[in-house]
Amino acid sequence: NAGVTQTPKFRVLKTGQSMTLLCAQDMNHEYMYWYRQDPGMGLRLIHYSVGEGTTAKGEVPDGYNVSRLKKQNFLLGLESAAPSQTSVYFCASSISDTQYFGPGTRLTVL
Amino acid sequence: GQQVMQIPQYQHVQEGEDFTTYCNSSTTLSNIQWYKQRPGGHPVFLIQLVKSGEVKKQKRLTFQFGEAKKNSSLHITATQTTDVGTYFCAQATSGTYKYIFGTGTRLKVLA
Repeated sequence: NAGVTQTPKFRVLKTGQSMTLLCAQDMNHEYMYWYRQDPGMGLRLIHYSVGEGTTAKGEVPDGYNVSRLKKQNFLLGLESAAPSQTSVYFCASSISDTQYFGPGTRLTVL
Repeated sequence: GQQVMQIPQYQHVQEGEDFTTYCNSSTTLSNIQWYKQRPGGHPVFLIQLVKSGEVKKQKRLTFQFGEAKKNSSLHITATQTTDVGTYFCAQATSGTYKYIFGTGTRLKVLA
């Protein structure tokens, strides 16, 4: 099993550009999460999903959209990137309370 | 809303010394989890505590949940260089699958 994978690993965007981050898990987990991690801020929940076709807002959802069309995939979209969205993005999945994290995507917005 | 405070923010110890990080919540928690993140890595689940006053051990790591279920601690005995990283506590918002993470304690172990 690959566990939780994230694509891409690194990305540089210009302000106003859009992009989609892909998270995939092969553990048949129901719950999936997107977090952002900034220095000194810990992990902050952006959006999460409790099952295929469902999404919900986390702590910091503004400027992001998500979709969970397939159980194994959770997509995070930035419609118009801003420098404040420069961060490391982690995806996680869980079947009970234990969250399994992907390796992260380092995004820089210039 | 719920807030999770973690102290200290940073800790440097000599190899062999003990280390403790504390997690405090403004509300009563249903459970608390601990994660470790190595430098450049991703968070890895360590443990979950559910019961009031619960104490669990994993080799040199001791996890404790407060009697009032508002605080928790992680204690490492005789630190090693492999313990380097950031330790996070996390709590689930009551009745949901939303998790709030503490700001983390970054541990550096000097050989």
